[in-house]
Amino acid sequence: AQSVAQPEDQVNVAEGNPLTVKCTYSVSGNPYLFWYVQYPNRGLQFLLKYITGDNLVKGSYGFEAEFNKSQTSFHLKKPSALLSDSALYFCAPNLDQLIWGAGTKLIIKP
Amino acid sequence: GAVVSQHPSRVICKSGTSVKIECRSLDFQATTMFWYRQFPKQSLMLMATSNEGSKATYEQGVEKDKFLINHASLTLSTLTVTSAHPEDSSFYICSAKRAGGPDTQYFGPGTRLTVL
Repeated sequence: AQSVAQPEDQVNVAEGNPLTVKCTYSVSGNPYLFWYVQYPNRGLQFLLKYITGDNLVKGSYGFEAEFNKSQTSFHLKKPSALLSDSALYFCAPNLDQLIWGAGTKLIIKP
Repeated sequence: GAVVSQHPSRVICKSGTSVKIECRSLDFQATTMFWYRQFPKQSLMLMATSNEGSKATYEQGVEKDKFLINHASLTLSTLTVTSAHPEDSSFYICSAKRAGGPDTQYFGPGTRLTVL
């Protein structure tokens, strides 16, 4: 069965510190990999995606993600967290359709 | 719990016709539903946010008169693609947020629309 795992329900980070939101997947083939963000009372918004090429992908709002084929991971990162980064983050591999992770709530504390 | 269904799962229609897609929350009440569009191997694009009993809020660039959204009850939202054209062919996904619950979005399985 195809699946994606976001092992942490919640991640707490102090403002200004680096952050990582983890994602691992078990999908056949070579999926595209996406990260989405959901701010309170808003729909999902696209952050970034990996298709091929450079393992480090840069996206919106200063986020980046690192693709690791051997570990089948696609962790989301940011060098310095902002208070406004507090939101719900979804990892989603995509073959013919998206496979959704459960989401990770990121809380940035002052 | 927290199951969201969409109907139909797949529809093929002729150019110029209108197509209605239903999104239902089966075991919970959803005050807010979202409609997304996804092109093959592309990211999900938020089209509109639908709140029960009020007009939908459309994202920039989404034609309100073409994509009619109705959220008439706490368990049902509909998306009607009016006068569909081949460029409207896409995968449409809805999601629902539980009333009074955590900020978690539950996704429907999607509807694949093909306009000939």
